[in-house]
Amino acid sequence: QSVLTQPPSVSGAPGQRVTISCTGSSSNIGADYGVHWYQLLPGTAPRLLIYGNTNRPSGVPDRFSGSKSGASASLAITGLQAEDEADYYCQSYDSRLSGWVFGGGTKLTVL
Amino acid sequence: QVQLQESGPGLVKPSGTLSLTCAVSGGSISSSNWWSWVRQAPGKGLEWIGEIYHSGSTNYNPSLKNRVTISIDKSKNLFSLKLNSVTAADTAIYYCASIAVGVGIDYWGQGTLVTVSS
Repeated sequence: QSVLTQPPSVSGAPGQRVTISCTGSSSNIGADYGVHWYQLLPGTAPRLLIYGNTNRPSGVPDRFSGSKSGASASLAITGLQAEDEADYYCQSYDSRLSGWVFGGGTKLTVL
Repeated sequence: QVQLQESGPGLVKPSGTLSLTCAVSGGSISSSNWWSWVRQAPGKGLEWIGEIYHSGSTNYNPSLKNRVTISIDKSKNLFSLKLNSVTAADTAIYYCASIAVGVGIDYWGQGTLVTVSS
């Protein structure tokens, strides 16, 4: 059981918008620790998509955006493309565990 | 551009010790980043193992703390992971990574598969 909760899967058609939620608690996201998002494609190293809740590293398309409210965060992907089909993970710091925690991961399927 | 490269045995016997090294290039291991290990077991999610700062300060996942040691060699610009008393549950892709404060993991190694089997 992951400390951060994500839906196991989401799906959408090309061009559509999907969101992936990440629910935490008062010892991590709710304690105002930043949320980071990663994309995992098979056979490749994970890629940082969003850091500090809402910031995009250079090179990440603006189709990807992040938000946070209370003890939850979300990753939104607009204009869905076939290449977006991947696993997505959220990450934050947990003060009770004194370490980094990940969500269980969400598999995005582009229909 | 920082690059990270894991190396070490791909097969470890049960009850043995898993040992991996991560070579850092394109940047100094004495920078302000934390140097971390993350793993992903087959069909499972990402799991943070622990991290080390160039000062030698470490933080470990409480669930692994009793079996993990992360060390750093500043002269060689590398850091290492040792996980003892391994079982089949430790079979995973092991990634070394760089954690920047406020940014999360900004650089990842390609990952190396370690299988625990006799």
